Amino acid sequence: AQKITQTQPGMFVQEKEAVTLDCTYDTSDQSYGLFWYKQPSSGEMIFLIYQGSYDEQNATEGRYSLNFQKARKSANLVISASQLGDSAMYFCAMREGSGGGSYIPTFGRGTSLIVHP
Amino acid sequence: EAEVAQSPRYKITEKSQAVAFWCDPISGHATLYWYRQILGQGPELLVQFQDESVVDDSQLPKDRFSAERLKGVDSTLKIQPAELGDSAMYLCASSLGLGRNTEAFFGQGTRLTVV
Repeated sequence: AQKITQTQPGMFVQEKEAVTLDCTYDTSDQSYGLFWYKQPSSGEMIFLIYQGSYDEQNATEGRYSLNFQKARKSANLVISASQLGDSAMYFCAMREGSGGGSYIPTFGRGTSLIVHP
Repeated sequence: EAEVAQSPRYKITEKSQAVAFWCDPISGHATLYWYRQILGQGPELLVQFQDESVVDDSQLPKDRFSAERLKGVDSTLKIQPAELGDSAMYLCASSLGLGRNTEAFFGQGTRLTVV
């Protein structure tokens, strides 16, 4: 079974509008971390935002916010006021415990976001 | 600004040849990861090191892939012999530790093409 599911292969948004990228996850752990990364065409993965499983408040980092719904096991990324430079692949990732205090990261298949002028 | 260094950026090799990639993590980062990313997919973890020890290599095809981090700093990933299906981006990342809230920093990757 997929640990991280991103159901939207591609998304389009108008510049300056908000967009939500979906992510659902599967784990039986109580302690885990959720991340979003951006990958431009240059290939480098850029960290955007983190949410811990025990965090009650949704994480925010500038124009990025994470809509965390623990009971639904979803961690959607919201980008407000989209910019042309936001066009990229976006990956949701989870770190869950593997025993001994270490957490193994797993990535979803990604969503391609294109921002139109 | 500190960054993860990878070389080479691009590599073309013939099937059945050996190929090696090098990664130098951010100074002070104890944890190092090698990922393989096939075009159109997310990164798949191949191996994770804590200092010089392997934490997880369950997805590493050990018949042809090997990874080492002898002094707990830089690392080498080797493929021998390379197969056509190995064509992918190989990403190295590092982090301060293994915790659930630990952010990983990625290098620019090595794009491998096997012909």
